[in-house]
Order: sequence, then structure tokens, then C-alpha cells
Amino acid sequence: AQSVTQLDSHVSVSEGTPVLLRCNYSSSYSPSLFWYVQHPNKGLQLLLKYTSAATLVKGINGFEAEFKKSETSFHLTKPSAHMSDAAEYFCVVSEYKLIFGTGTRLQVFP
Amino acid sequence: EPEVTQTPSHQVTQMGQEVILRCVPISNHLYFYWYRQILGQKVEFLVSFYNNEISEKSEIFDDQFSVERPDGSNFTLKIRSTKLEDSAMYFCASSEASGRESYEQYFGPGTRLTVT
Repeated sequence: AQSVTQLDSHVSVSEGTPVLLRCNYSSSYSPSLFWYVQHPNKGLQLLLKYTSAATLVKGINGFEAEFKKSETSFHLTKPSAHMSDAAEYFCVVSEYKLIFGTGTRLQVFP
Repeated sequence: EPEVTQTPSHQVTQMGQEVILRCVPISNHLYFYWYRQILGQKVEFLVSFYNNEISEKSEIFDDQFSVERPDGSNFTLKIRSTKLEDSAMYFCASSEASGRESYEQYFGPGTRLTVT
């Protein structure tokens, strides 16, 4: 069975500094991986997805993620955090249904 | 841009009552899903639905739950006799197709169900 592990439940950064949200996956075959974002009292929005094409995936709002098979990782990064990035971020693996990680809450301080 | 809509946004019900959560998926999508998120926990898959039948369900989706596509646009989740532990945010999602190859699932804003 596939699964994802988000290594940090909370990440705090200052505005303008880089963001790193870590995710490791477990899969017996080449997975499809996603990052979703959930702003307070909002639904889930797709940030980006990996589907066995380019290993570096660019998403919306300046986010990107790199698929590293050797490390079974799919970490989410952004060069410069903005206050509006404060939200809950979910790493997700697809096995027809979506399997969510436990989430990382990103706080951005001025 | 087309979007998935859900009603109501918040539902409060008493234990033992039946509730129906409603969703309108994106019009050309063929696959429909329900997920739930108990407060402070991760999002969990409940059920997927295609061609008027359940294609997959989780162990959470017991006999108290049912889904239906009563017409060409709505997709509903019914909980027959609600329990306190059913209190959660329920998300509906839809996709054009299904499979490991990343057909994106579009999520609605959710219905917060509170069982008292």
C-alpha cells in the first residue's frame, strides 16, 4: 500500500525567507504525487503534481517540488515566503483514491 | 472556471438523525469522491463513485453511509444515523477520469458537520 509521511507538523518562517516542507513517500511502483494547500475555512487546492515526467515540478504561487526516487522524497519549496502562504499543506499520493499525509501547518511571520 | 460546490457549508444535527450532504461536481467529470477530515486529523478517503455505482470504499464507509447521484448534477452523501464521531469536515471531489496517472481531483469547499 502507498503512504506519505510529512516530517514536520509545523513550520515557521519569516516573510521573504525560503520555505521547505518535507514529504517522504512509500510506494511499490512509480507514484503520482501531489501537494495540496488548505487555507483557513477553505477547501483543498492543488499546488502541483508529479506524474513521472519531469522530476522538478513547478506549481502555482511560486512553489515547486522535486521528486527524488533514491530518497523517496517529494519536498515542497518556495524561494521566498509571503504572508499569504500561511496555510496547511498536504502531501498526497494517488492510488486511484488520494492518500493524504498528516499535513504541515506553515506560519509566516512579518 | 468550473468548480465543485457543496451545500450546506455547515450542518448541525442531533445524534441519531439522518443527514444528507450535497455536492455538485464539475459538469463533464465522471468520477466522484467523498473525503472527510476530523478536526486536527488528516483527510481520509471515504468512497469513490463511477457510472452510478461505488467503485471503491474505505473501512470508514460502513452501512450507515450511502452515496447517490439522484440526477445529472448532484452527488449526495447520506449518513443514516449520525454519531458524535461523525463530526468532521466532509469534502466532495470530482475528476475527469481515474487511475494512477494523476487525473486531478477538484475539491469543493467542504461541509462542516457537527453532531451534538
